[in-house]
Amino acid sequence: AQSVTQLGSHVSVSEGALVLLRCNYSSSVPPYLFWYVQYPNQGLQLLLKYTTGATLVKGINGFEAEFKKSETSFHLTKPSAHMSDAAEYFCAVSHGRDDKIIFGKGTRLHILP
Amino acid sequence: DTGVSQDPRHKITKRGQNVTFRCDPISEHNRLYWYRQTLGQGPEFLTYFQNEAQLEKSRLLSDRFSAERPKGSFSTLEIQRTEQGDSAMYLCASSPSATANTEAFFGQGTRLTVV
Repeated sequence: AQSVTQLGSHVSVSEGALVLLRCNYSSSVPPYLFWYVQYPNQGLQLLLKYTTGATLVKGINGFEAEFKKSETSFHLTKPSAHMSDAAEYFCAVSHGRDDKIIFGKGTRLHILP
Repeated sequence: DTGVSQDPRHKITKRGQNVTFRCDPISEHNRLYWYRQTLGQGPEFLTYFQNEAQLEKSRLLSDRFSAERPKGSFSTLEIQRTEQGDSAMYLCASSPSATANTEAFFGQGTRLTVV
């Protein structure tokens, strides 16, 4: 069965600093991978996804993630943090388009002024 | 299209009562998911449908929980004999699984409080 591990339930970075949120997955078949963001009192919104093709995926709000099969990772990065990036971020995986989507426990990103 | 719609947004019920939630997916999305989310946790998979067929139900899910999608459009999630541990946000999502756009689009959720 597939699963997702997000390292660090809370991450704090200074405004303007690099954001790095870690995600490792387990899957017996080529995975589809997703990052979602949840702002306070709002629903989940897709940031980006990897299905096939280019391993570096760009998403909304300047975020990107790289699929590394050898490391079974899909870490989320942003070169320069903004105060508005403060939110909860969830990594998710599915076994291709026919399988259910399983979420990690989430990482809360705090931005320090 | 207004997105995934869930009703009600909030529900307070007494322990032991039955509750039912409704989800209207994005039009023509043939896949529909139910998740449960508690404070500080990620969405926990409950069940999902492909059109009217229920493909899988979480083994962790009590028999008190049942979901239907009778016509392959809207879905209902019923919880019988509610317990305080059922208090959570119940999320519905839909996706057009027949295409490459496989991501799930989420509704705002139904917050259940069992007192």
